[in-house]
Amino acid sequence: AQKVTQAQTEISVVEKEDVTLDCVYETRDTTYYLFWYKQPPSGELVFLIRRNSFDEQNEISGRYSWNFQKSTSSFNFTITASQVVDSAVYFCALSEAGLDGNNRLAFGKGNQVVVIP
Amino acid sequence: GAVVSQHPSRVICKSGTSVKIECRSLDFQATTMFWYRQFPKQSLMLMATSNEGSKATYEQGVEKDKFLINHASLTLSTLTVTSAHPEDSSFYICSAESPGFGARSEAFFGQGTRLTVV
Repeated sequence: AQKVTQAQTEISVVEKEDVTLDCVYETRDTTYYLFWYKQPPSGELVFLIRRNSFDEQNEISGRYSWNFQKSTSSFNFTITASQVVDSAVYFCALSEAGLDGNNRLAFGKGNQVVVIP
Repeated sequence: GAVVSQHPSRVICKSGTSVKIECRSLDFQATTMFWYRQFPKQSLMLMATSNEGSKATYEQGVEKDKFLINHASLTLSTLTVTSAHPEDSSFYICSAESPGFGARSEAFFGQGTRLTVV
C-alpha cells in the first residue's frame, strides 16, 4: 500500500500564481517525520522542510508555507507568487522505522510543477 | 548543513562492465547510508540500507549480487552495479544520516549519479 500519496502528477501555473501541492500519508507509528524535497532538472534533492508528528504548527519560510493536519493525515505545501525557478519536481516523504531499526524514507510519486513565464 | 558527496555524477559504460558509485559524508560520520534508484519521471525507490561494518539490507526485489554495497568506513559507502545492462540505466542517489542528528534525521542526499549503459 502506498504510504505517501501525491495525487497531482503535473501542475502548470502562470508566474506569480500560487500553487498548492497535496500530500496524504499513511502510518501506524505515533512518532514519525514528514519531509518535502525539491528536485530541479539537475537531479539533486534539495531539502525544504522536516516536520515531526507532534508539531502541527503551520510553517512559513519566504514564499513557501506548509499546512500539517494530523486529523486528515495531510502535509500540504504552498508556493506563493510562483517564479520560473520554482519549476521542479517536489517530493513529499515519510520517515518511519523499519523492522531492522533503521529509519526509512518513503517518497510520494512527486509533483512536477511547471511555472510558465 | 551536512554535505554528502556522490561520485561520479554521470557515467556511461558498456553493457557487461561494472560501475562503482561512491557516496561520502564530508563533515559527519554516517553510520547508515541509503541507496535509491529513480527512473525517469518516477519517484525514488529505496534499494538498500547500508550500515557501517555490516552487510547491507536490501529491499524486496533488489538483486544483492547485482548491486553490491560496501560501507567500509563511517564516511564512505559504495554501490557497484555488476555486469551492467541497458535496463540498469537509471539515476542512483544516496543519502546519509548520523546518530548525532537525532533519531529521525533529515537524510542528506548526494547529488546523484546518472548511469547510462550502452
